Amino acid sequence: DAGVIQSPRHEVTEMGQEVTLRCKPISGHDYLFWYRQTMMRGLELLIYFNNNVPIDDSGMPEDRFSAKMPNASFSTLKIQPSEPRDSAVYFCASSPRTRRAGELFFGEGSRLTVL
Amino acid sequence: KQEVTQIPAALSVPEGENLVLNCSFTDSAIYNLQWFRQDPGKGLTSLLLIQSSQREQTSGRLNASLDKSSGRSTLYIAASQPGDSATYLCAVYYSGYALNFGKGTSLLVTP
Repeated sequence: DAGVIQSPRHEVTEMGQEVTLRCKPISGHDYLFWYRQTMMRGLELLIYFNNNVPIDDSGMPEDRFSAKMPNASFSTLKIQPSEPRDSAVYFCASSPRTRRAGELFFGEGSRLTVL
Repeated sequence: KQEVTQIPAALSVPEGENLVLNCSFTDSAIYNLQWFRQDPGKGLTSLLLIQSSQREQTSGRLNASLDKSSGRSTLYIAASQPGDSATYLCAVYYSGYALNFGKGTSLLVTP
């Protein structure tokens, strides 16, 4: 299996621009998670989906952030408009059906720099 | 909210030493606890998953223990090697399907 695939790996943009990050989870995994990692705050859960349905988006920092999962093999995280404080590494992770015993598998991350 | 703390934040040891990384959490009502490794510029790799009914898990030179009543987990690395240098993160499943992460211990093993 190719693992969780994220794109782009690196994104540099200017403040005010729209940013779209993409994720392809491991085939057959029912759960998909978006995390953000910064030096100050560590890893923070932004949102997670179960069977393509958003379950908990309480970690989404503000309305500028939105996430979608149109099908089982694709998810996006969008920031519009972007701000310098959004600079971070954004990780996507997926997990198999078994809830309590499920392991999390992470992608390589998308490093976002907003100037 | 569940708080996960990892001590120490950074650790440097000579090759061959046995070492212990600590993780503590505030709410003992957890489902599972998972240890990850993160290399610079990379994603997280799962090392060990301990379910709430278990007390420890072992994989090669790694052993992780879980004491729910005291809110602690330890990751023991035997005979450390330079290739073990990385950041080690502890994460706790405490409700729904959410994972709370500690900020990690940055480990450097010198030859």
